[in-house]
Amino acid sequence: QSVLTQPPSASGTPGQRVTISCSGSNSNVGNYLVNWYQQLPGTAPKLLIYSNDQRPSGVPDRFIASKSGTSASLAISGLQSVDEADYHCAAWDGSLNAWVFGGGTKVTVL
Amino acid sequence: QVQLVQSGAEAKKPGASVKVSCKASGYNFNNYGIIWVRQAPGQGLEWMGWISGYNGKTKYPQTLQGRVTMTTEKSTSTVYMELRSLRSDDTAVYYCARGSSKTANELAFDLWGQGTLVTVSS
Repeated sequence: QSVLTQPPSASGTPGQRVTISCSGSNSNVGNYLVNWYQQLPGTAPKLLIYSNDQRPSGVPDRFIASKSGTSASLAISGLQSVDEADYHCAAWDGSLNAWVFGGGTKVTVL
Repeated sequence: QVQLVQSGAEAKKPGASVKVSCKASGYNFNNYGIIWVRQAPGQGLEWMGWISGYNGKTKYPQTLQGRVTMTTEKSTSTVYMELRSLRSDDTAVYYCARGSSKTANELAFDLWGQGTLVTVSS
């Protein structure tokens, strides 16, 4: 059971917009920065978003993230087949004194 | 080339220990820390702890306290993660990733190793 809650799956057709939610509490998402990781099939995770809404160099601006209260979200606009991957949210938990993750959301391009 | 390269797959019996290495290259080892994350088959990510590349300070989650130890070898820019008293539910892919040198929670993990499969079975 993951501390952060994500939907197990999401899907869309090419060009559509898909949104993934990440729900936590005041001990993690509510008071700490949220990061998102993309994990392509059979590979290591890759940093996609840091500090709630910042994209590292090289990440397309189709990926937009935000945070409000104890929830965060990641939107993928103009969905492409290369976006098929698992997406994980993460935040520090001040009560557990540990990084906590969501269970991951598998995005499928139909 | 900036990269983290991990040691190869391991097969262990229950009760044994495993030690996985993570060699950093292409950046100043002292300026960053290393975190370890594992992923059981078909599951999400689990944080296993952090070690500073600067001073070797560590932080582990309560769930693994007493079973995990992380160490650094500055001369080779290598970090080691040892997990003891292995159980079947420790079967997972173990990843190292780059983080902050100062505290466990300061930075996102911006560089990842390729992963090491550890299988625990009798």
